[in-house]
Parts: sequence; C-alpha cells; structure tokens
Amino acid sequence: DTGVSQNPRHKITKRGQNVTFRCDPISEHNRLYWYRQTLGQGPEFLTYFQNEAQLEKSRLLSDRFSAERPKGSFSTLEIQRTEQGDSAMYLCASSSETGVGNTIYFGEGSWLTVV
Amino acid sequence: AQSVAQPEDQVNVAEGNPLTVKCTYSVSGNPYLFWYVQYPNRGLQFLLKYITGDNLVKGSYGFEAEFNKSQTSFHLKKPSALVSDSALYFCAVRHRDSSYKLIFGSGTRLLVRP
Repeated sequence: DTGVSQNPRHKITKRGQNVTFRCDPISEHNRLYWYRQTLGQGPEFLTYFQNEAQLEKSRLLSDRFSAERPKGSFSTLEIQRTEQGDSAMYLCASSSETGVGNTIYFGEGSWLTVV
Repeated sequence: AQSVAQPEDQVNVAEGNPLTVKCTYSVSGNPYLFWYVQYPNRGLQFLLKYITGDNLVKGSYGFEAEFNKSQTSFHLKKPSALVSDSALYFCAVRHRDSSYKLIFGSGTRLLVRP
C-alpha cells in the first residue's frame, strides 16, 4: 500500500497559464476526492468521484476547473487561465466503498503558486 | 449549515504535560468525527475517528479523543506531549448520509516546548 500519490508537488505558473495536477489513489480505493487548502484554513471540498463518475462538484469549482478520472484509477485536476487567487495547496484523497465511516486518506498535496 | 469550530488557533504545552486540542461541531444527526495532523508542507495524516460505541477513541501516536454528544464536542487529547507532536491539527466531520464530504475546522497549531 503506497498511499495516495500526487504530482507535481510544487508548481509555479504565470497568471493566465493552464496547469494540471495528477493523483494516483490507493490502489483498491474506488472513491477519489479533491480538496483545496489555503494558508491558515482547513481543506475545502472541491469534487468527488466514485470510480469514473464525478458525483459532486463544489461551488468552489469554477468553470476554469475540470477534474477527470477516465478509467476509475488516477485523476487529473486542470485549472485553466490561472488567477492569483488559485494559489493554494490542492489535496487529493481516496477511500474504499466498504466499511462504516470509511477513512479518507490524503496525499502530500500539490502546491500551486500563481505569479 | 454544517460547521466545525476549533476555538484555539494555537495551543502551547510543555513536553511531558498533557495536551488537549478542542473541537466542537454543528451537524444534524450523528456524524462521523475525525482528527487529522499536518506537518509543514505536507498532506494530512489520519489520526483517529469516532463512528459509534465507546466515547473514548484511541488513535495513532498515543493520541485519543473524547466524543461528547451533549456538548457536540470531540476534543483531542494526549497524556504526555512530545516535541515531535508540534504540528497543525484538524478536526473534521462527515454526515452519516454523506459518503464523501469532510467538513474541516480551521485548524489548531500545537507547539510543544522542550
């Protein structure tokens, strides 16, 4: 069990550029989540996949954001036309479907700095 | 609206002393409750969770948490703090009818001095 893997860990981009983050969940987990964390705040839910289906998107996820999980395994989060307000850590997490109160396990996060 | 409150931005404690990090929540029904820890520039590590049963839950690294339904609290505790416990701690809740969305508090920074 290698845990949730995210890359790149750090990304600095110029305003207006597009960026893409990748997440590889724990192998047997069919649920995958994206959260965003800004300095001094707790993580905020962005979106959730069960297998390849995206079942919910937060209002935080503007039209410039898109997430995919094409084969129900890894996921990508793309931000188009980045803005300085997008600077944050983007956390991916995963959990299994079975069990009660399934624990959600987080990756190390991907830091985005928009300059 | 569902919310989690961590009333202390920072908790300071001397090594070897007991520590408490407070968390209260406002969620309808009986939620699942979680504690996570975050070290600098790292992701969140799961510490413990309350699902049902015994109000005292034991977790990783000697941490435990006490669920109090009447006070809607889930305080994190440790009998003897270590300098290495210094980190950012997050309380989170999940509604039992929601299989996915965690709602986090704003975090409490724990500083354990030698």
